[in-house]
Amino acid sequence: AQSVTQLGSHVSVSEGALVLLRCNYSSSVPPYLFWYVQYPNQGLQLLLKYTSAATLVKGINGFEAEFKKSETSFHLTKPSAHMSDAAEYFCAVSEGGGYNKLIFGAGTRLAVHP
Amino acid sequence: DVKVTQSSRYLVKRTGEKVFLECVQDMDHENMFWYRQDPGLGLRLIYFSYDVKMKEKGDIPEGYSVSREKKERFSLILESASTNQTSMYLCASSSYRGNANTGELFFGEGSRLTVL
Repeated sequence: AQSVTQLGSHVSVSEGALVLLRCNYSSSVPPYLFWYVQYPNQGLQLLLKYTSAATLVKGINGFEAEFKKSETSFHLTKPSAHMSDAAEYFCAVSEGGGYNKLIFGAGTRLAVHP
Repeated sequence: DVKVTQSSRYLVKRTGEKVFLECVQDMDHENMFWYRQDPGLGLRLIYFSYDVKMKEKGDIPEGYSVSREKKERFSLILESASTNQTSMYLCASSSYRGNANTGELFFGEGSRLTVL
């Protein structure tokens, strides 16, 4: 069965600092992996996705994530945090095909302070 | 611009009331989903539908039912609302592409339900 673990329910960084949000997954087949962002009182918006092409995936708003099969990880990074990055971030995994479903992690709330 | 629209952003209902949450998508997607979001628990799948009049239970279907009479519309029904159903409800859709389906979801803005 698939599962996703996000380490750290809350992460706080200073504006301009590196953002690192951690995600580990389990899957019995090569997975598809996603990061979604949720701004206050809004739905989820896709940040980036890994679909078995390049292991380093670039997304919107300067975010990127690297798929590491040996570590079963898909951590999200951004070199320099901006105040507007404050939001909740969800990692998700699917096994693809047919009527498959996304399995979500519990989320990490990112706070950015001046 | 593709869109998933949830009819009500905020609802307040009383215990025992019947509640309808409506979701419409304009992307001609085959698959539609209802998730519930609670702090610290992430998103949990309530029900999903892969075709008109078809539905499948997700991880937490108890106390909920769904209806899909048209391809673009997927409704979540709380037959008798209870306080533990106070939550954010998110509708999503995806396209069926067989083995090429990655599972990517497109979300609505959510419906925050409070049951008193």
